[in-house]
Amino acid sequence: GQQLNQSPQSMFIQEGEDVSMNCTSSSIFNTWLWYKQDPGEGPVLLIALYKAGELTSNGRLTAQFGITRKDSFLNISASIPSDVGIYFCAGPLFTGGGNKLTFGTGTQLKVEL
Amino acid sequence: DAGVTQSPTHLIKTRGQQVTLRCSPKSGHDTVSWYQQALGQGPQFIFQYYEEEERQRGNFPDRFSGHQFPNYSSELNVNALLLGDSALYLCASSLLGGDYGYTFGSGTRLTVV
Repeated sequence: GQQLNQSPQSMFIQEGEDVSMNCTSSSIFNTWLWYKQDPGEGPVLLIALYKAGELTSNGRLTAQFGITRKDSFLNISASIPSDVGIYFCAGPLFTGGGNKLTFGTGTQLKVEL
Repeated sequence: DAGVTQSPTHLIKTRGQQVTLRCSPKSGHDTVSWYQQALGQGPQFIFQYYEEEERQRGNFPDRFSGHQFPNYSSELNVNALLLGDSALYLCASSLLGGDYGYTFGSGTRLTVV
């Protein structure tokens, strides 16, 4: 089945740093979604991308829809402590009956002490 | 406006037992999807319900079943529990045909001993 691989698997951040992560797929997606999950909570949608090559921002977050439609990138500028958490990419798959999300393996952001 | 509500928040069951998890969707949403999230992994799609029918199903055995009620709330049932069923079970609601406005609940943490 489809699999979304994210890298890095985890990373340490210091306040004020810029952070980059990516997501690659073996299949083409027509939409890319980026979610953040805090401990004990469900994922929260950060950014949705609908067109190949699209660059979309949400505050300090910027995401890009790769030209090949098999990858996407998320950047966080000037990170702050509340950015800590797990970031997931996801792609929706449509069928005649409905749609479902395929999630990536996740990138965990931790604070470097 | 209440978001997605799941109950219970935590549950401990013994192997072989059966469990029922409940979900109330966000107001205005008509579609409920269930996901299983094992520790350290991304959520995996179980199934989706719309108009009280299962519309899509992921790669989960028949031990996993569900139901949607006329008020759009939903239940996830798992029979003959295995140790490997221990996970965070997430419910997500959405509006069929809408954008990717999936709203996730905080989940039910199921531990099978």
